[in-house]
Amino acid sequence: DAGITQSPRHKVTETGTPVTLRCHQTENHRYMYWYRQDPGHGLRLIHYSYGVKDTDKGEVSDGYSVSRSKTEDFLLTLESATSSQTSVYFCAISESMRGVGEQYFGPGTRLTVT
Amino acid sequence: QKEVEQNSGPLSVPEGAIASLNCTYSDRGSQSFFWYRQYSGKSPELIMFIYSNGDKEDGRFTAQLNKASQYVSLLIRDSQPSDSATYLCAVSSGSARQLTFGSGTQLTVLP
Repeated sequence: DAGITQSPRHKVTETGTPVTLRCHQTENHRYMYWYRQDPGHGLRLIHYSYGVKDTDKGEVSDGYSVSRSKTEDFLLTLESATSSQTSVYFCAISESMRGVGEQYFGPGTRLTVT
Repeated sequence: QKEVEQNSGPLSVPEGAIASLNCTYSDRGSQSFFWYRQYSGKSPELIMFIYSNGDKEDGRFTAQLNKASQYVSLLIRDSQPSDSATYLCAVSSGSARQLTFGSGTQLTVLP
């Protein structure tokens, strides 16, 4: 995951506050994804992007919004954080139209909502 | 609802043995199939992918796909303690090749 960074890596926030997580890539890949990982649930897709300003919802998008104003950055925003959004968040990238669309993951952000 | 099922384990094998990990999926339109390895506290790491029926080998790893049975497996030969991790099966579908993951199988290789 040398070409993908996530910030912050750890965050503790209070219920009701807005939170923005950032994913930055240096690979110039077209596709970017946000997942959350919780015990017993594996990874679940929140939102994804297929180009600058082009985004769509995933399986668990309620309570989350995203933005992509540049190829290299994909932001995930929790407008009003809740305790159920305590999780580990992973960003992934893919040059989907080449090969089989394999995804590569960033290091993750551990978010705790108190 | 697309589903991917894996045996949650934990699965324990002795060093040098073959570890067999299994996965079934519900969406017949699935395009490609992936195995990721995840060490505790780390991010998922891609180890294999397969998209055609049959076997695909890469070193000590063999992925097997049977689309008629909607079944994917991963064999790890000559298992090493360093293979101890959680293995995630993932299936892609949709125009952006979105992934649906299983909940993972925890593998422990005993020295």
